[in-house]
Amino acid sequence: AQSVTQLDSQVPVFEEAPVELRCNYSSSVSVYLFWYVQYPNQGLQLLLKYLSGSTLVESINGFEAEFNKSQTSFHLRKPSVHISDTAEYFCAVSEYGANNLFFGTGTRLTVIP
Amino acid sequence: KAGVTQTPRYLIKTRGQQVTLSCSPISGHRSVSWYQQTPGQGLQFLFEYFSETQRNKGNFPGRFSGRQFSNSRSEMNVSTLELGDSALYLCASSLDGQFNYGYTFGSGTRLTVV
Repeated sequence: AQSVTQLDSQVPVFEEAPVELRCNYSSSVSVYLFWYVQYPNQGLQLLLKYLSGSTLVESINGFEAEFNKSQTSFHLRKPSVHISDTAEYFCAVSEYGANNLFFGTGTRLTVIP
Repeated sequence: KAGVTQTPRYLIKTRGQQVTLSCSPISGHRSVSWYQQTPGQGLQFLFEYFSETQRNKGNFPGRFSGRQFSNSRSEMNVSTLELGDSALYLCASSLDGQFNYGYTFGSGTRLTVV
């Protein structure tokens, strides 16, 4: 069975400071990994995904995540956050060949001016 | 290219009633998946439809059902509504249910059961 653990439910951080949102997963088979962002009263937007290849994946707005198979982690990082990054972030996993996602409980990132 | 469209955006229903939510996928996408998001349980997979067939189902009671039409539009139905069914219902569309070529969520339908 798959599961996703987001260790921090809330992360406050000052503007222009770095941030790391942690995600660990468990699965007995190979997986795909995702980070989604949700703004208030909106759906989920894909931030980045790991399907195969390079273990470091980047988004267009400065976020990056690294797939670490030995530690079963897929932590999300950004070197300098902006006010507009305030949102809820969800880590998700899917097994190879599956057609559904298992989500973590989310991390609410609040950027403080 | 239009995104995933969910209607209505907001809905208020009374306990015991039934409700139908609609999801129109991105043009050309044949797979539609549904998720429920609540503060207590988080995001949970309901079911996935591909070419009018349900291929996968999450752990929800039989009150939750869905269908997909030949134009790939999907509806989900919840019968005998309970207070705990209050949630944001999200659908996602993709070409074939796989993640290689995109898996896009709609803005959701917020259902409130009173």
